Formats: sequence, structure tokens, C-alpha cells
Amino acid sequence: GAGVSQSPRYKVAKRGQDVALRCDPISGHVSLFWYQQALGQGPEFLTYFQNEAQLDKSGLPSDRFFAERPEGSVSTLKIQRTQQEDSAVYLCASSWTVISSGANVLTFGAGSRLTVL
Amino acid sequence: DAKTTQPNSMESNEEEPVHLPCNHSTISGTDYIHWYRQLPSQGPEYVIHGLTSNVNNRMASLAIAEDRKSSTLILHRATLRDAAVYYCILTGGGADGLTFGKGTHLIIQP
Repeated sequence: GAGVSQSPRYKVAKRGQDVALRCDPISGHVSLFWYQQALGQGPEFLTYFQNEAQLDKSGLPSDRFFAERPEGSVSTLKIQRTQQEDSAVYLCASSWTVISSGANVLTFGAGSRLTVL
Repeated sequence: DAKTTQPNSMESNEEEPVHLPCNHSTISGTDYIHWYRQLPSQGPEYVIHGLTSNVNNRMASLAIAEDRKSSTLILHRATLRDAAVYYCILTGGGADGLTFGKGTHLIIQP
């Protein structure tokens, strides 16, 4: 596709449910990021993939959060036993190149808005 | 990544130029200056980036101070569609990607 696609756009979960959020990056993009954006705040880094390798997961808030990109293209962010504080917009971004310099430009998806009741 | 300081909000009139300032006094020699914007209910969108020299593209211009401790994003003729949160970000690369602050909320008056 022409851009980064995320699904679902909106997800309502009951506390304790597991959720899975999908990201389809631009075809051929090597780098993939996940961000979390709380209401009124800027996006915060969660995790980074270079192809299928998860090189940085330092931003994942707890072990309930898990991300994968098994074939180096589509990625899934999974949240187990959701809590109310997990309510946020989850953004995916991708880039042609590896993260080797500050010149790298990211293309973001529209995000998945998660509401935990 | 070094920290940036931006005004919380700015207001401008439609069809007038807009100058969005950003201070980054602790910038390092390898840090690039990036600007992204986020329209309501959308993901951030790349606007422009530069290292030392001023940059122009179809969306905006980026003016970088000679000492690189500040920069200004210039929208030459604002439209209502330019109303968004504008983020100024420094990055030297690295697996943690871009570090977003709170940005400047730009309001465009018709």
C-alpha cells in the first residue's frame, strides 16, 4: 500500500482481556517502530524492529506488552490482561533504512485507539 | 537525544506566514533537527529536517541558527489545514527512534 496501515482503528476492551493490534508497514521498509500516545501527550517509544529482529524493547511498559514481526513485514503488538492505564493510541511507523543516522524519516500510520473499560 | 523547548501554543491568521520556534541549546554535532506535525485523529506526519543549512521543501522552510542552538519552522502561507500540533525533535539516529515532546499547538484563525 501507499502508506502505513493499522488495524483496528478503534478497539474497546474490558479490563483483563487480551488485545492484538496490527501494523502493515510500507512494503520494503526495513525499520518499524511502535509508539504509545496518551491523551494530550506526544508519542512515546515502545519498541523497534529491524526486519524481523527486535533490537530495542526498552519502552514496553510491562511484561504484559509483547510485539513481534516474524517475517520482517507485518507487525503485531499484543497486550495481555489489559488495564485501564493501557488506554491510549498506539502508533506504528516505518522507514526504508536502518536507524544509523539522524537523517532517517519515519512514516506513521493513523494509529489504533484502545479504550479499556 | 537532546531536549527541545517549544511554546505550548501559537495562533495565526489564515494566509499569513507562521514562524514556529524551537530551542535546543544542548544539541550535539551529529543531531539532525526534525519537524513533524500531527493533525487531529491522525498519526504524526513528516514536515522537514536539516543538519546545519537552511532547508526548503513543498511544505515548509527550516531556518537553523548558525550556532544550531535554535531553529524555526516557517509555513509561508498558513491554511486552516495547517492547524495541528508541531513537534521539533533532535535525533542522531539510534534504535529508540524519535523522542517527542508536547509540541506546539498551532491554531489558525480564518
